[in-house]
Amino acid sequence: DQQVKQNSPSLSVQEGRISILNCDYTNSMFDYFLWYKKYPAEGPTFLISISSIKDKNEDGRFTVFLNKSAKHLSLHIVPSQPGDSAVYFCAARRMEYGNKLVFGAGTILRVKS
Amino acid sequence: KAGVTQTPRYLIKTRGQQVTLSCSPISGHRSVSWYQQTPGQGLQFLFEYFSETQRNKGNFPGRFSGRQFSNSRSEMNVSTLELGDSALYLCASSQPRAPYEQYFGPGTRLTVT
Repeated sequence: DQQVKQNSPSLSVQEGRISILNCDYTNSMFDYFLWYKKYPAEGPTFLISISSIKDKNEDGRFTVFLNKSAKHLSLHIVPSQPGDSAVYFCAARRMEYGNKLVFGAGTILRVKS
Repeated sequence: KAGVTQTPRYLIKTRGQQVTLSCSPISGHRSVSWYQQTPGQGLQFLFEYFSETQRNKGNFPGRFSGRQFSNSRSEMNVSTLELGDSALYLCASSQPRAPYEQYFGPGTRLTVT
């Protein structure tokens, strides 16, 4: 049962434009959501997170939006830069399961210059 | 502050052997989690240790085990290696309080032949 889904395997965006990465989840008990960026042969790098009691969190060029009723979150990157090209993972946690993260399958973002 | 370190970075083992991987968390982080990344299954949670106790466990066979030492360093062990154990093994550390971001090490690439 895939509880966190990233339905777009890849996304291509022009440099300077907005990148929107989407993530859906099925478990309404998740209380914290995180986005990670990953380059090949490296560990995931934490980008931004959001608590389930909020609907938006912003950090520089990165903004995460959470729509609890739709069980949907999205990561906006504005403006997109070539260095943003990587695999982006959405992850979710439930407080009673400690720090166990459930990851989506990832979306490959390519930012073209 | 130094990041999460993992040793070794690369490892080649033969089917049937056993292997031990090591992880040193960020200073002050007492929670250490382990994940397995494979092309087919993505990032999957193995287990989490906090204050030398296993707090959570994923759906992996008993051949996968771990432990945590008093200085929060952690090891994971895989016994009787199978070809399917070939993967990138990632360690992540976090603080036991909000925010709950986990910070990943570079991983250990295990190849079983």
